[in-house]
Amino acid sequence: DVKVTQSSRYLVKRTGEKVFLECVQDMDHENMFWYRQDPGLGLRLIYFSYDVKMKEKGDIPEGYSVSREKKERFSLILESASTNQTSMYLCASSGSNEKLFFGSGTQLSVL
Amino acid sequence: AQSVTQLDSQVPVFEEAPVELRCNYSSSVSVYLFWYVQYPNQGLQLLLKYLSGSTLVESINGFEAEFNKSQTSFHLRKPSVHISDTAEYFCAVRGLTGGFKTIFGAGTRLFVKA
Repeated sequence: DVKVTQSSRYLVKRTGEKVFLECVQDMDHENMFWYRQDPGLGLRLIYFSYDVKMKEKGDIPEGYSVSREKKERFSLILESASTNQTSMYLCASSGSNEKLFFGSGTQLSVL
Repeated sequence: AQSVTQLDSQVPVFEEAPVELRCNYSSSVSVYLFWYVQYPNQGLQLLLKYLSGSTLVESINGFEAEFNKSQTSFHLRKPSVHISDTAEYFCAVRGLTGGFKTIFGAGTRLFVKA
């Protein structure tokens, strides 16, 4: 089975902190994604990557950056966390068959 | 660019009743369409997908969805729901061109009552 692992299930940070969310997949997928999930808004795409060192902005990239130095790892960075970035963050990966495989999510609270 | 509209935020239904969860999309290119499901306290998983061919697609647990190009819809249906179908359902779209960017709707919470 494909496994997408997010490093933390729950995270609490303070306003202004730099936050790193890590995601690792074990199926050699080319494509990786970061979404945030908020009640009533569904999943909104922050960034995605279709190859090592390649990245594309999604619909809500402001306040975020990403890093993909190795094929299996895709990191989401909050440069200076703010309270409106409190959310559930979901990482996903996909190969050539279009289906997304999701991690279990990181619930981030910014105080 | 693509967008997805799920017309109902919540759908309460009694067990063994039929259900339809509505999804409309907009896109300037041809698309792939998906329904994902999130059971309580679990991650998202694929329920079914339309890539090409027959416009009616089915899942292993009795759900089906029909791609209607003229109405730009991909509604999800089940003729008889079970308590265990209680979950949040997300419709998603990906363009055939422009990379693997997948856009999701806001979700429909299906609540099946005994």
